[in-house]
Amino acid sequence: QKEVEQNSGPLSVPEGAIASLNCTYSDRVSQSFFWYRQYSGKSPELIMSIYSNGDKEDGRFTAQLNKASQYVSLLIRDSQPSDSATYLCAVNLGAQKLVFGQGTRLTINP
Amino acid sequence: EAGVVQSPRYKIIEKKQPVAFWCNPISGHNTLYWYRQNLGQGPELLIRYENEEAVDDSQLPKDRFSAERLKGVDSTLKIQPAELGDSAVYLCASSPHLAGAEQFFGPGTRLTVL
Repeated sequence: QKEVEQNSGPLSVPEGAIASLNCTYSDRVSQSFFWYRQYSGKSPELIMSIYSNGDKEDGRFTAQLNKASQYVSLLIRDSQPSDSATYLCAVNLGAQKLVFGQGTRLTINP
Repeated sequence: EAGVVQSPRYKIIEKKQPVAFWCNPISGHNTLYWYRQNLGQGPELLIRYENEEAVDDSQLPKDRFSAERLKGVDSTLKIQPAELGDSAVYLCASSPHLAGAEQFFGPGTRLTVL
C-alpha cells in the first residue's frame, strides 16, 4: 500500500460547480497535511495546510481532515477554469518527512 | 520576500556526463530539501538538510548522486554520471525548522538526459 494515495483522474468539473479531491494515507501518527497545486510545467504551490480534524476554509478552498479514517480532502467551490491543474496531497510522516501522492489532474470546463 | 531560487531551469546532457543543480532557499529557512519529480508523479524526496547536516539521505542513489550544503544556506545536487532514467524535474524546497512546517518549492530544474 502506498503511503499517500490519490485518484490520478482526470477529474472533470463544470465551471461554477464544486470540485472534490480526495486523499488517503497509511500512517496513523501523521499530524500535518498539505494540499499543493501544480500547473503544467510549474512547481508545486502550497494552497492549504491542515493539522486537526474537521474543516479549514480559505476563500473558495476547504480542506477536510478525518484522522480516524486517515482521509483528507480538498473542496473547491465555484470552480474556475484557472483552477485546472494537478492537485498534490502531501502528508508529514514525522521528522518533517513529507510524502506526496501522485496527484489528481483537475479540469474545469467552461 | 524572495522565494526559493534554483538554477539552471533547464539542462540537456548526454548520458554519462556530469550535471549539477544549485538551490538558494528562502532566507531564514534552516531546512532544505531536494526532490525528484517524474512525469505524472508526485515529488519524491532525495535528501533533507537541517542547516549543513544531511539528516535524511536514505532515498539518494549514492553511487551517482551527491549533495552538499557547506555553509548551511545554498546547496548543490550533483549527478555523475547521468543515466537516461535520471531525466526528471529536480525540485528544491525549504521550510523553517518547525515540526510540521510548510515547505515552499523553487521553480525546479528540468533535466533531459539523451
